[in-house]
Amino acid sequence: AQSVTQLGSHVSVSEGALVLLRCNYSSSVPPYLFWYVQYPNQGLQLLLKYTTGATLVKGINGFEAEFKKSETSFHLTKPSAHMSDAAEYFCAVSDPGNFNKFYFGSGTKLNVKP
Amino acid sequence: DGGITQSPKYLFRKEGQNVTLSCEQNLNHDAMYWYRQDPGQGLRLIYYSQIVNDFQKGDIAEGYSVSREKKESFPLTVTSAQKNPTAFYLCASSGMGHQGEAFFGQGTRLTVV
Repeated sequence: AQSVTQLGSHVSVSEGALVLLRCNYSSSVPPYLFWYVQYPNQGLQLLLKYTTGATLVKGINGFEAEFKKSETSFHLTKPSAHMSDAAEYFCAVSDPGNFNKFYFGSGTKLNVKP
Repeated sequence: DGGITQSPKYLFRKEGQNVTLSCEQNLNHDAMYWYRQDPGQGLRLIYYSQIVNDFQKGDIAEGYSVSREKKESFPLTVTSAQKNPTAFYLCASSGMGHQGEAFFGQGTRLTVV
């Protein structure tokens, strides 16, 4: 079975600072990789995804992530944090042998300080 | 607009009662899922279905039941056997055989009173 590890359950940055949220997965075969954002009492919204091709993926709201196979990582970054980025972020993978089973990390809450 | 609709948004249940959470999608997706979310624990898979009239247990299926009689609908029943049902429940769907992401509903917050 796949597993997803998000380092840091809470991350705090100042407005305008770099955002870095870490995600590592365990898989012998590269999976499909996703980042979602969740605002309080709402569902999850897709930020970006990696399936094949270019390993640097750009998403919505200025976020991007890089798939590094050698490090089994898919860290999420944004050059300059905005107050509206404060939310919880989830990394997820899907099993290439079973495209429709998703595994989620435990989430990272991002706090943005003015 | 296409999407997933969960209802109700908030639900209160007395101990010992069964309750059913609704999930409907008009995305023509074959696969549907139910997740439970508790603070600090991320999303845990309760049940999933890849095709009509078929479904599989996820990691925490005890105390829950589902049905998949129509492609568009995947209701979740929280039974009295579920010892700690207070949580936020999320329904999702995805297309089969694609590099597709899961699409989520807005969630149902269930509280036992």
